[in-house]
Amino acid sequence: EAQVTQNPRYLITVTGKKLTVTCSQNMNHEYMSWYRQDPGLGLRQIYYSMNVEVTDKGDVPEGYKVSRKEKRNFPLILESPSPNQTSLYFCASSFPRGEQYFGPGTRLTVT
Amino acid sequence: SQQGEEDPQALSIQEGENATMNCSYKTSINNLQWYRQNSGRGLVHLILIRSNEREKHSGRLRVTLDTSKKSSSLLITASRAADTASYFCATEKIQGAQKLVFGQGTRLTINP
Repeated sequence: EAQVTQNPRYLITVTGKKLTVTCSQNMNHEYMSWYRQDPGLGLRQIYYSMNVEVTDKGDVPEGYKVSRKEKRNFPLILESPSPNQTSLYFCASSFPRGEQYFGPGTRLTVT
Repeated sequence: SQQGEEDPQALSIQEGENATMNCSYKTSINNLQWYRQNSGRGLVHLILIRSNEREKHSGRLRVTLDTSKKSSSLLITASRAADTASYFCATEKIQGAQKLVFGQGTRLTINP
């Protein structure tokens, strides 16, 4: 089944404790992206990747890192999480200029 | 930055009625996409319409695009309770890196 998977689905952590949210797709998509969704602010892009080893900042990259060492994986790294990073996070993938397939989301709470 | 803005923000109709949602954007686009999101879950792609297209259909969905007015509409005919969800339009720039910019969404409620 074609899908985008994210782990974990739910995470509660404390300020400053490094964490990684994994994202994997099995559709051989070149393009992958991370979004955060907050009430009243909609979806905002954090980082995206056009292909392996090619990443770039989206609209709200501060406090986040990404890497793209393999085509299928695009982990999101929070080196020192803060409460303002409490949000619902989505990973998505697509072929170039195509429809995006979204993962189920990761609900992160930073206390 | 360009952004799709949906109108209305919320819409409540009776089952069986048609639902129309509108999206406006600011700059030239390569394509416009509509997505559905059930509460707290991942977004599901509905339709992609390219800048040289004016109308597309998919089942009970009809999307129109007017590039001269920089607007699009999503029509859901014969609505069902299962259509209750938030609907987002997203625009992709005509040049540069592939990037979707999402609007705030329309919250659609279908009453049985």
